[in-house]
Amino acid sequence: DAGVTQSPTHLIKTRGQQVTLRCSPKSGHDTVSWYQQALGQGPQFIFQYYEEEERQRGNFPDRFSGHQFPNYSSELNVNALLLGDSALYLCASSFRFRTNEKLFFGSGTQLSVL
Amino acid sequence: KNEVEQSPQNLTAQEGEFITINCSYSVGISALHWLQQHPGGGIVSLFMLSSGKKKHGRLIATINIQEKHSSLHITASHPRDSAVYICAVLVSYNTDKLIFGTGTRLQVFP
Repeated sequence: DAGVTQSPTHLIKTRGQQVTLRCSPKSGHDTVSWYQQALGQGPQFIFQYYEEEERQRGNFPDRFSGHQFPNYSSELNVNALLLGDSALYLCASSFRFRTNEKLFFGSGTQLSVL
Repeated sequence: KNEVEQSPQNLTAQEGEFITINCSYSVGISALHWLQQHPGGGIVSLFMLSSGKKKHGRLIATINIQEKHSSLHITASHPRDSAVYICAVLVSYNTDKLIFGTGTRLQVFP
């Protein structure tokens, strides 16, 4: 049973470019949440997708957008990249109405913006 | 002030020592998670608490809802316990939004 998988593991981009990160949830999960973790900081909630819609959103600009597909996998898109977008991007999956359960995270995508 | 505060930020210990990491929060929560993050980024869930105490092997987690405080204890620490330990709170049953602490970096030396 595969856990949460993310791709790519590492990515280097330059300022102004656009990037797409991907996440496949754990089998049986239908909800995907995205987090940004800057170096030395705790993760910050970006948004959550359920039933192919954005259900929750953290304090991130519109440059951050996402999508969820019918198979529950998800993408995170960041436009007009800034140096400050350099971070580890984590994806976590859950089953929507079982909120009091162990969390499952992917290994993350390390994004470097030069 | 962060809604979730952890202490200490950094912790070093000798193998075999008893470790305590603290987490305080200022918001109403429905659950609190303790997470372990190794170099390279992967996060592993250790505990989910809504009350009382849980134990798994050498790890013990407690929570006091009235005082808005939780602790993670590691007994007989080992170098393989070296990692960043993160406390995260689930704000409410409806939002599913997690707020994370900044983590406690633990290094255990042989």
